[in-house]
Amino acid sequence: AQSVAQPEDQVNVAEGNPLTVKCTYSVSGNPYLFWYVQYPNRGLQFLLKYITGDNLVKGSYGFEAEFNKSQTSFHLKKPSALVSDSALYFCAVSRANRDDKIIFGKGTRLHILP
Amino acid sequence: DGGITQSPKYLFRKEGQNVTLSCEQNLNHDAMYWYRQDPGQGLRLIYYSQIVNDFQKGDIAEGYSVSREKKESFPLTVTSAQKNPTAFYLCASRDDRGEGTGELFFGEGSRLTVL
Repeated sequence: AQSVAQPEDQVNVAEGNPLTVKCTYSVSGNPYLFWYVQYPNRGLQFLLKYITGDNLVKGSYGFEAEFNKSQTSFHLKKPSALVSDSALYFCAVSRANRDDKIIFGKGTRLHILP
Repeated sequence: DGGITQSPKYLFRKEGQNVTLSCEQNLNHDAMYWYRQDPGQGLRLIYYSQIVNDFQKGDIAEGYSVSREKKESFPLTVTSAQKNPTAFYLCASRDDRGEGTGELFFGEGSRLTVL
């Protein structure tokens, strides 16, 4: 069965600094990987996904993520953090199969300090 | 506008009562999902459906039931057998057209509180 680990419950970053939110996964075969963001009392919004191809994936709001197969990681990054980036971030994985379920990590709360 | 509509946004229920959460989508997606969100536990999969008249149990299906009679609709019933039903419930549909698999589109959620 697939699983996702987000090792940090919370990440604090000063505004303007680069940010990284970590994600590692476990899945049999090739993965499909996703990042989502959630604001208080709202649904999740899609940020980016890795399906195949280039290991560096660019997404919404200046976020990007790097797929590392050997380390089974898919860390979310942004070169310069904004206060408005403060939110709850979820990594998710499925097997490389359209019919497979998508499993989420526990989430990482990102605080951008002004 | 296309999207996922969940209702009600807030719901209060007495212990022992069943309650049904509505989820409707007009995105023409085949696949739909129900997740439960609790603080510190992330999203846990309750049920999912890849096509009309078919659905599969997720990781925490006990105490829940679903139906998928129409492509647009995937209602979730929280039964009295669910031991700890107070949570935030999220419905999603999946864009499975085109190359590879697609991302999930989420509704705004329904917050259920058992009194």
